[in-house]
Parts: sequence; structure tokens; C-alpha cells
Amino acid sequence: EVQLLESGGGLVQPGGSLRLSCAASEFTFSMYGMTWVRQAPGKGLEWVSAISGSGGSTSYADSVKGRFTISRDNSKNTLYMQMNSLRVDDTAVYYCATTMGGYYGLDVWGQGTTVTVSS
Amino acid sequence: EIVLTQSPGTLSLSPGERATLSCRASQSVSSTYLVWYQQKPGQAPRLLIYGASSRATGIPDRFSGSGSGTDFILTISRLEPEDFAVYYCQQYGSSPHTFGQGTKLEIK
Repeated sequence: EVQLLESGGGLVQPGGSLRLSCAASEFTFSMYGMTWVRQAPGKGLEWVSAISGSGGSTSYADSVKGRFTISRDNSKNTLYMQMNSLRVDDTAVYYCATTMGGYYGLDVWGQGTTVTVSS
Repeated sequence: EIVLTQSPGTLSLSPGERATLSCRASQSVSSTYLVWYQQKPGQAPRLLIYGASSRATGIPDRFSGSGSGTDFILTISRLEPEDFAVYYCQQYGSSPHTFGQGTKLEIK
């Protein structure tokens, strides 16, 4: 079964750093672009960042540009998000997701990992 | 950045009724790039509709999507108890691939 499993969330102080991971299984990871989406408590979905299958192309929401870095290690079937200079408003559940159906739209999602930024 | 505005914010209906949810874009979006998701509490979103009108795998045919340009509609023909959830539209027309703020469909 195709699966995405996020990890690395936790409690961090404002200004701190955290690295999220998303381990993929049961599909050819390098063939698929990957996306991070977050959801603040009680709020809607926010697209955060995306990366191509090769890792050569990345994009970011303005809210995280310059602070977050998306990357992937195709030899380890793992997606990453390095989050620096964290702010209170980065508090959210972070989901990794991908599209396997050959269309636009995220059809495979992880269960999410929670990041809390608080002093 | 393309802003997606969903309406209404909350929709109160009864099982068996028809639901019509709207997603309006701040600039034209190709139908190819407009998708809809359903999210239930404590769960990740689930893809319902891609390309504005095509149902994703396993989605019942009571869900349908339509629209073009700046105005898109998600219709649920006859509500089942499991359909009460939050629905989001998303666009891939330009980066960032923004989401609408969501419509909560609640039981009346």
C-alpha cells in the first residue's frame, strides 16, 4: 500500500529550528513531485512548498520563503522540510502529499506531524 | 497570488438534500488546475474532484464539479451522513498553489 509517514514535529521556541521528514513507501518515490501543506489549529489548509521528482525545482509560499527549505533524498525515499526562524504562526499540523494519478491534485497524504512554536 | 474565496462559510443541510458549494478565483484558472478536497475532523484531506469536474478514484457519483474561468461549483446531489465535513478548493494555475478558506457542511 502506498504510504507517506511524517515525523519530526514537536515543541520549539520562537526563532528555533526543526526538520520534518516524510518517509515514502510502496511507490517509485523519485518519479513524483512532493508537497507540504499545513493547517493551523482550527484553520484551513495552507500550501507551503513543493519539489519536483528530481529535486531540481522547488517553490514556496511567501509566508515561509527564506526560512523553510524543502529537499528530498531519493535514495532514502524521504522528503524533508528544514524550518528555521520559526514563528508562533508556524504552529500547525504539517502534511506531506503527492499526486500519483497523473493529474493536478494531491491524492496521497500522510497523517501529519504537529509543530508547536511557543515560548 | 490567486485568491480563492469559498461560499458559504457554513452550510446547514439535512441528509438527502442537495448541497451547492462555490469557489471563486481572483483571476481566471484553467479548469485543468482546479481541484476539490473533503476533510473530516482529525483526518488528512481527501481528493474528491480534479480538473474541475472529474471524480477521483473511489469517489461516489453523488459528488460532481463544474465551472470555468473564475467560478467553480461542487455539488453533492443527495447528502449522506458521511458527507458532513469541510470542503476546500485548490488551484494549480500559478504558484503558490493556494487553497480556499473552506466551507463547513454541517447537519441541520
